[in-house]
Amino acid sequence: DGGITQSPKYLFRKEGQNVTLSCEQNLNHDAMYWYRQDPGQGLRLIYYSQIVNDFQKGDIAEGYSVSREKKESFPLTVTSAQKNPTAFYLCASSPLAEWGDTQYFGPGTRLTVL
Amino acid sequence: GEDVEQSLFLSVREGDSSVINCTYTDSSSTYLYWYKQEPGAGLQLLTYIFSNMDMKQDQRLTVLLNKKDKHLSLRIADTQTGDSAIYFCAEEAPGDDYKLSFGAGTTVTVRA
Repeated sequence: DGGITQSPKYLFRKEGQNVTLSCEQNLNHDAMYWYRQDPGQGLRLIYYSQIVNDFQKGDIAEGYSVSREKKESFPLTVTSAQKNPTAFYLCASSPLAEWGDTQYFGPGTRLTVL
Repeated sequence: GEDVEQSLFLSVREGDSSVINCTYTDSSSTYLYWYKQEPGAGLQLLTYIFSNMDMKQDQRLTVLLNKKDKHLSLRIADTQTGDSAIYFCAEEAPGDDYKLSFGAGTTVTVRA
């Protein structure tokens, strides 16, 4: 059963704490992405990675960090430096085919900072 | 960066057709996508269209692309209550590292 999994579905954090969101895919996709979604706004790209051990900043990378040690895993750490971390976080992956780059999304993690 | 714009809300009666509109600014976009998001869930790919096409039909879904006006639309025929969701338009521009630019999403509410 191929797909993208994100865990946990809901996450609560106290101010000042770092927290790591998990994203795993078994689709053998090369590229993985992290987005943040806030009410009434589109998705904003945080980080993306097209190959293992390499990743690039997106539009709103400040206060976040990622790693890509394995092709199937792309964890996102929300650090205490992120000023407004409460949001819905979506992970996606894509095969990087020459004919286009359809992205497939996980179910999301809702992070709430208390 | 690119700007993708959508109207925020659409209300439609069950059984009628829904038309969701989107405008984009990058004329070199290669692929344009429609995604659906149900409450509390991730985005589900509905359909996509390549920029050299004017129309694409897939069962109840029809995508129309007007490259001259940079306008994309998604028509849902015979709208059902299960079609209530947020619909996102997204564009992919060549040479932009395979990144997508998303609109803010159109919330479609289907009323009986």
